[in-house]
Amino acid sequence: SAVISQKPSRDICQRGTSLTIQCQVDSQVTMMFWYRQQPGQSLTLIATANQGSEATYESGFVIDKFPISRPNLTFSTLTVSNMSPEDSSIYLCSVRQGEPRYGYTFGSGTRLTVV
Amino acid sequence: SQQGEEDPQALSIQEGENATMNCSYKTSINNLQWYRQNSGRGLVHLILIRSNEREKHSGRLRVTLDTSKKSSSLLITASRAADTASYFCATDANNNDMRFGAGTRLTVKP
Repeated sequence: SAVISQKPSRDICQRGTSLTIQCQVDSQVTMMFWYRQQPGQSLTLIATANQGSEATYESGFVIDKFPISRPNLTFSTLTVSNMSPEDSSIYLCSVRQGEPRYGYTFGSGTRLTVV
Repeated sequence: SQQGEEDPQALSIQEGENATMNCSYKTSINNLQWYRQNSGRGLVHLILIRSNEREKHSGRLRVTLDTSKKSSSLLITASRAADTASYFCATDANNNDMRFGAGTRLTVKP
């Protein structure tokens, strides 16, 4: 199964600044997914990132706020821009593990606190 | 956006007891998956059940799916303290569109 290295694992940031989260996969994958998990809540899909094309954003999420890069088939970044305390969440990247029966693999998450 | 609801929101049991969590969803699906999350870390895939399957087992896990009621259940038998975690169901409608339920926080007391 795929292994994802996600960095940083946590950060405390000042409001108005930006943070870039990185996910490195140990195998080539077509699609990578970025999720947000607000405190005590479930996961909400932010966007789907394909290599070589612009990410597809879900309703309520925009590229200016959450720009995504996907320079190759093993790497992606999500930037949380102009942060406010409401952006304090866990951010997770995910890839599908080949056959559907293996489900999706998730990074270990980035716990972001905006002060 | 979330697909469905899970109940209970929180469940506390003694080690050795069985834990049952339920998940309901709203739209047609290709498959339904269950994940575990420890202390706000990454999610771990537990089991997948396809829309044409009714029951599936994996070790101490038993999953059922009722597509007519748009619901699923996860049973953990002979629970252990290490099973303490949050459990989420996720529906996959078109193989690239996963939607997560609200989750159940399970506490297994030693």
